[in-house]
Amino acid sequence: KAGVTQTPRYLIKTRGQQVTLSCSPISGHRSVSWYQQTPGQGLQFLFEYFSETQRNKGNFPGRFSGRQFSNSRSEMNVSTLELGDSALYLCASSYGTGGQNTEAFFGQGTRLTVV
Amino acid sequence: QKEVEQNSGPLSVPEGAIASLNCTYSDRVSQSFFWYRQYSGKSPELIMSIYSNGDKEDGRFTAQLNKASQYVSLLIRDSQPSDSATYLCAVVPQGAQKLVFGQGTRLTINP
Repeated sequence: KAGVTQTPRYLIKTRGQQVTLSCSPISGHRSVSWYQQTPGQGLQFLFEYFSETQRNKGNFPGRFSGRQFSNSRSEMNVSTLELGDSALYLCASSYGTGGQNTEAFFGQGTRLTVV
Repeated sequence: QKEVEQNSGPLSVPEGAIASLNCTYSDRVSQSFFWYRQYSGKSPELIMSIYSNGDKEDGRFTAQLNKASQYVSLLIRDSQPSDSATYLCAVVPQGAQKLVFGQGTRLTINP
């Protein structure tokens, strides 16, 4: 069974640009969550999608957005990049709601560097 | 008060000993609790989940949950150098579809 796949693995972008990251969840998983990891702030929740609907959103500015497609694949977009957006972006997938269904498995992450 | 708190360490344990990692959480009605292991430069890997009070054992790992005291712990028996990593405690708050992570405890197993 394939794991969570994130693309690309590495990105270098310039301030002011925008970026789109992709995540393919484990087959059968309908929930996809996104997290930002930095040395100073640790793992911070961005948003969660289930069956194409955003159910939860973290405390990030509106420059951060996402969506989920009917096949459960998800994308996140960051517009007007700032230096502080440099981080490891992680996607996690799970079956969905309640108990063991919330067990989340992470992809390898996308390392974004903003210069 | 942070939602999930862990001692950041570093925690140093000799090979073969028991490593004990602790985590406290603030949301009293949280229902799901997880431990992740993260090697440097890698993504978090789920190693234990626990949902009810008591102990849950899986190989060399034991997770312990005490909802009354709002803490969850992870014991690693017969610690190996390959256990050296950062261990992240994560909690799913009641009604929320997200993981809230602690800052992680860096564990070093000394040969």
